[in-house]
Amino acid sequence: DAKTTQPPSMDCAEGRAANLPCNHSTISGNEYVYWYRQIHSQGPQYIIHGLKNNETNEMASLIITEDRKSSTLILPHATLRDTAVYYCIVRAGNTGKLIFGQGTTLQVKP
Amino acid sequence: NAGVTQTPKFRVLKTGQSMTLLCAQDMNHEYMYWYRQDPGMGLRLIHYSVGEGTTAKGEVPDGYNVSRLKKQNFLLGLESAAPSQTSVYFCASSYPTPTYEQYFGPGTRLTVT
Repeated sequence: DAKTTQPPSMDCAEGRAANLPCNHSTISGNEYVYWYRQIHSQGPQYIIHGLKNNETNEMASLIITEDRKSSTLILPHATLRDTAVYYCIVRAGNTGKLIFGQGTTLQVKP
Repeated sequence: NAGVTQTPKFRVLKTGQSMTLLCAQDMNHEYMYWYRQDPGMGLRLIHYSVGEGTTAKGEVPDGYNVSRLKKQNFLLGLESAAPSQTSVYFCASSYPTPTYEQYFGPGTRLTVT
């Protein structure tokens, strides 16, 4: 599975969009990009995933560059409850294994 | 639906003691996973299972054993606990679909003294 690189921490003002970048320059053609988040010490929560196209759901949007070497998770209107560690993961294969990095700690400030 | 549950929530062990952590899911998921998370770190995969009666090693399997005798349960055993196994343990499960969204339990906080 490809490795990912994320900034260790970011701040965002409440109500603003939070844009979390991820580099995955060694991604293969059949590898998906997943985003999870972990609030406090709870179990991680799935946010969104994509292969080539941009994706949007009720929680977030995922923008994947055309060469697929990087992506951005967008939380359109961040709230204090979005303060968490966000993990970008690329994964292939049939086993569903996820390899977590250290993630980005997003602090949403009032 | 309870989702993914873990038992116990907290445990303190002495070095050399053994214990079993239980993970249960009621979503009829084929795949189940055990992770550990050390302070300030991301999760690391210990063992996983792609179906009843099957298990496989993850990134950090040493010192742990697992069993999947029933589809809904995945057990993680520590035969002889060591202080290095002090961690928070998370269980997860998923369908074997292309999305592989994993659902996580609330975690078990284990301290080995």
